[in-house]
Amino acid sequence: DAGITQSPRYKITETGRQVTLMCHQTWSHSYMFWYRQDLGHGLRLIYYSAAADITDKGEVPDGYVVSRSKTENFPLTLESATRSQTSVYFCASSSSGGGGTGELFFGEGSRLTVL
Amino acid sequence: SQKIEQNSEALNIQEGKTATLTCNYTNYSPAYLQWYRQDPGRGPVFLLLIRENEKEKRKERLKVTFDTTLKQSLFHITASQPADSATYLCALVRRSSASKIIFGSGTRLSIRP
Repeated sequence: DAGITQSPRYKITETGRQVTLMCHQTWSHSYMFWYRQDLGHGLRLIYYSAAADITDKGEVPDGYVVSRSKTENFPLTLESATRSQTSVYFCASSSSGGGGTGELFFGEGSRLTVL
Repeated sequence: SQKIEQNSEALNIQEGKTATLTCNYTNYSPAYLQWYRQDPGRGPVFLLLIRENEKEKRKERLKVTFDTTLKQSLFHITASQPADSATYLCALVRRSSASKIIFGSGTRLSIRP
């Protein structure tokens, strides 16, 4: 089915471990985004990508790494997880970024707990 | 500092009434504002957007206004229903950095029967 899927949906890890959250979209959208959502902060942009091999930092990029070798995939890696990275992570895609309607299509989220 | 605020964390209203949610921003020059709905445990879903040169936009029972002088957008749901209960997020798209869409923290709307 067409759409945007995230995996895993739930993950528990320990401080210092590397974690990768996967995001896959079937619309061939150029733009993809990673947000984190925390109580009191709303959605904050971590990284975004305008096309394959083009990525840029958002508001809160520290501690995260992204790559985009293929248009449809945009994995987010926490190289050494910290408790402050406990959050719900949302991947989103858009056909036009902030131009045009800029409508974002979100995945269902990945809930990460760092112990 | 730059920020976007939704000034009610929660709003409870009676079914059939009009719900009005507020989104205020400071120190931004938005190209347009978007509104999303988010249900518990789900990702946000786009509802509609309004451009800086538009005063009002409607879609079925939804209406959005945009006042660049007040730096404010209002989101209205008329004839509200319990199924409208959700968290509503406003998002701002800046002219200077269109891909960095900034979200407010949301307003949780509850419609009681």
